[in-house]
Amino acid sequence: EAQVTQNPRYLITVTGKKLTVTCSQNMNHEYMSWYRQDPGLGLRQIYYSMNVEVTDKGDVPEGYKVSRKEKRNFPLILESPSPNQTSLYFCASSSSPGGFYEQYFGPGTRLTVT
Amino acid sequence: QQPVQSPQAVILREGEDAVINCSSSKALYSVHWYRQKHGEAPVFLMILLKGGEQKGHDKISASFNEKKQQSSLYLTASQLSYSGTYFCGTELGAGTALIFGKGTTLSVSS
Repeated sequence: EAQVTQNPRYLITVTGKKLTVTCSQNMNHEYMSWYRQDPGLGLRQIYYSMNVEVTDKGDVPEGYKVSRKEKRNFPLILESPSPNQTSLYFCASSSSPGGFYEQYFGPGTRLTVT
Repeated sequence: QQPVQSPQAVILREGEDAVINCSSSKALYSVHWYRQKHGEAPVFLMILLKGGEQKGHDKISASFNEKKQQSSLYLTASQLSYSGTYFCGTELGAGTALIFGKGTTLSVSS
């Protein structure tokens, strides 16, 4: 089954404790992206990757890191999480960034930083 | 750069129609529409490209006015299953990032 998976689905952590949210897709997609979703603000892009070893900042990259060492995986790293990073995070993948190719979203990771 | 969606919320009874708009101050290459139900991930509905190409689900229709940089999503004869938040995403050029609007919440009741 074609899908995007994220782990963990729920995470409660404390300020400053490094964490990684994993994202994996099995559709051989070139493009992967991370979004955060907050009430009233919609989906805001954090980072995206056009291909292996190619990443770029989205609208709200501060406090986040990413890497793309393999085509299928695109982990999101919070080196020193803060309460303002409490949010719902979605990973997405696509054959291409946009154009005529739809994005497939993972199930989401709800992160709470206390 | 974030597209503006209107209205912010719509309340309908089953069978009624609705139009959701998405506008940008910049020239667009494509507009994407997604629907998100509560507690779930966004799901693809429609893509409209500059020049007229489009693809999407059979029961969904949309338009893209390139002169106005505006897209509209038409939901006709609404069903309970149409409830959710609708997001438009816009792309300024091929290969650029897809930026989403803040969403329009649609509630359909029986």
